[in-house]
Amino acid sequence: EAGVTQFPSHSVIEKGQTVTLRCDPISGHDNLYWYRRVMGKEIKFLLHFVKESKQDESGMPNNRFLAERTGGTYSTLKVQPAELEDSGVYFCASSQSTRTEAFFGQGTRLTVV
Amino acid sequence: AQKVTQAQTEISVVEKEDVTLDCVYETRDTTYYLFWYKQPPSGELVFLIRRNSFDEQNEISGRYSWNFQKSTSSFNFTITASQVVDSAVYFCARDNQAGTALIFGKGTTLSVSS
Repeated sequence: EAGVTQFPSHSVIEKGQTVTLRCDPISGHDNLYWYRRVMGKEIKFLLHFVKESKQDESGMPNNRFLAERTGGTYSTLKVQPAELEDSGVYFCASSQSTRTEAFFGQGTRLTVV
Repeated sequence: AQKVTQAQTEISVVEKEDVTLDCVYETRDTTYYLFWYKQPPSGELVFLIRRNSFDEQNEISGRYSWNFQKSTSSFNFTITASQVVDSAVYFCARDNQAGTALIFGKGTTLSVSS
């Protein structure tokens, strides 16, 4: 069974540019999560989808971040325009239900220069 | 937010040594879940264990064991007879009140040398 896959694995962009990260969850997992780890800090929750609906987006830092999950399958996280402080590793995870183990992808390392 | 604290930033041991990674959490909830994840150099977070707050029995899985102490709000992780392949960053986490997200500690980097 394929795990959670994320694209790209690395991205280097200039400040002010737009970047879109993609996450393909495990097939059949209704719950999809985005997290971010800024260097040296904790992995922080960004938002949670159940199928195509945003259940909790309390962790989204500001309106430069937009997440979508059209059709309840893969999800994208767009950062527009990117700022230096957006640099970090963005993780996607999926689970069959809440409060169960979430399976994580390898993350996308975003560097904004 | 209810915090998870991993006081040890980095630990270095020599192969075959036992090592314990500490985790202390804050909670005002009666029911909650605790987790440990491993992040090897490849980058993905690998699930190790999930523990319900009502189940205080210690758990052993091969060389891994977990000690859950509700009285001290701790959920420590011990690796017995460590191996080089155990080198990774280990994260402790708990679920939030709604059960919709994980609250992570900062992680402990474990280096096992031969």
